[in-house]
Amino acid sequence: QVQLVESGGGVVLPGRSLRLSCTASGFIFRIYDLHWVRQAPGKGLEWMTGISSDGSHKTYADSVKGRFTISRDNSNNTLFLQLNSLRAGDTAVYYCARGPGGWSFDYWGQGALVTVSS
Amino acid sequence: QSALTQPPSASGSPGQSVTISCTGTSSDVGGYNYVSWYQQHPGKAPKLMIYEVSKRPSGVPDRFSGSKSGNTASLTVSGLQTEDEADYYCSSYAGSDNLVFGGGTKLTVL
Repeated sequence: QVQLVESGGGVVLPGRSLRLSCTASGFIFRIYDLHWVRQAPGKGLEWMTGISSDGSHKTYADSVKGRFTISRDNSNNTLFLQLNSLRAGDTAVYYCARGPGGWSFDYWGQGALVTVSS
Repeated sequence: QSALTQPPSASGSPGQSVTISCTGTSSDVGGYNYVSWYQQHPGKAPKLMIYEVSKRPSGVPDRFSGSKSGNTASLTVSGLQTEDEADYYCSSYAGSDNLVFGGGTKLTVL
């Protein structure tokens, strides 16, 4: 069965960096686009970034462009999100999600909580 | 991009039907047939219920249906069941490799 498992969340000081990982199993990783979506506590969903199946094309929401970087390792079925210059407003649960096409997300991980606080 | 507009709440009794709206602009909902709907129970990850306006993934009951008219998309849940109580989010492609979500609607089954 399809599984996406995020890791790397935690508490981080403002201005510091963090790298999230999303390990996939149960499907052919290298043929799917992948995305990161976040959800601040008690708030709605916010699309962050996406990456094409071969990693050649990356897209970002304006709110994180220049601070967050998406990447993937198709040899190890892993998606990454590098979060730099973190702010309190970046506190959220970060989900990785599979994109089968048409800008929908058919499988999601359980989420990784990132808390930015001094 | 601004978030799509959803009503904060909706409700219905078991067996009834309820429709949740999702209003955008001609640059997102009205411009593309890439509207999706997600169901999220408390503490859980979102689940895809509808994609490309009206298509249902395998395993989603046919009680869930989607439609679009102009800049407004809608999710209808027919024959409400207690397990349908959850938050529902719409999303739409907004051009230039961007996706926008709605603010979410809390569906209560009375």
